[in-house]
Amino acid sequence: NAGVTQTPKFRILKIGQSMTLQCTQDMNHNYMYWYRQDPGMGLKLIYYSVGAGITDKGEVPNGYNVSRSTTEDFPLRLELAAPSQTSVYFCASTGAFFGQGTRLTVV
Amino acid sequence: GESVGLHLPTLSVQEGDNSIINCAYSNSASDYFIWYKQESGKGPQFIIDIRSNMDKRQGQRVTVLLNKTVKHLSLQIAATQPGDSAVYFCAENREGSYIPTFGRGTSLIVHP
Repeated sequence: NAGVTQTPKFRILKIGQSMTLQCTQDMNHNYMYWYRQDPGMGLKLIYYSVGAGITDKGEVPNGYNVSRSTTEDFPLRLELAAPSQTSVYFCASTGAFFGQGTRLTVV
Repeated sequence: GESVGLHLPTLSVQEGDNSIINCAYSNSASDYFIWYKQESGKGPQFIIDIRSNMDKRQGQRVTVLLNKTVKHLSLQIAATQPGDSAVYFCAENREGSYIPTFGRGTSLIVHP
């Protein structure tokens, strides 16, 4: 049981580039979430999913997209990276299991 | 707007003391609360949870108290150890929701 696995751990993007943050869980959980955490702040919800094929916006969805084609995987897509998206991104399942995070810097 | 917040951004204690971290919430419809511990460079780690039909719940060295009258939540850590140094977050789930909404966090510093 690996829990929630995120890749990559670190990434530097140039403004306007795109990337996908990967998240996978092996616990067969229906609920999955993407949060971002800025320095000294709590976690803000970007998108969430209640099961395969179902996604919905959270508090700060602008500039991001998600998909949930399987129960295991919940990738987060940044289409046109902006400096405001510099943050640490966490994927979670059921609200109790978090990945180790992806530290993203947009320059 | 309604939110979850913390009273103290930083709490410093001596090793062996008991620690109390507080959290205020304003949504009376919240019925499920979680405390998380986040160590530097890591993701949040679930510590303990409590539902609104309970006032108190105990785990290993930790106790969560819920006062629905004043919409207040606290996390008590007994015999605090240096390994307890971290940022602690409370999160609320609105009734019928399984989407944790996080407060800002409190940094706990344990001095040996």
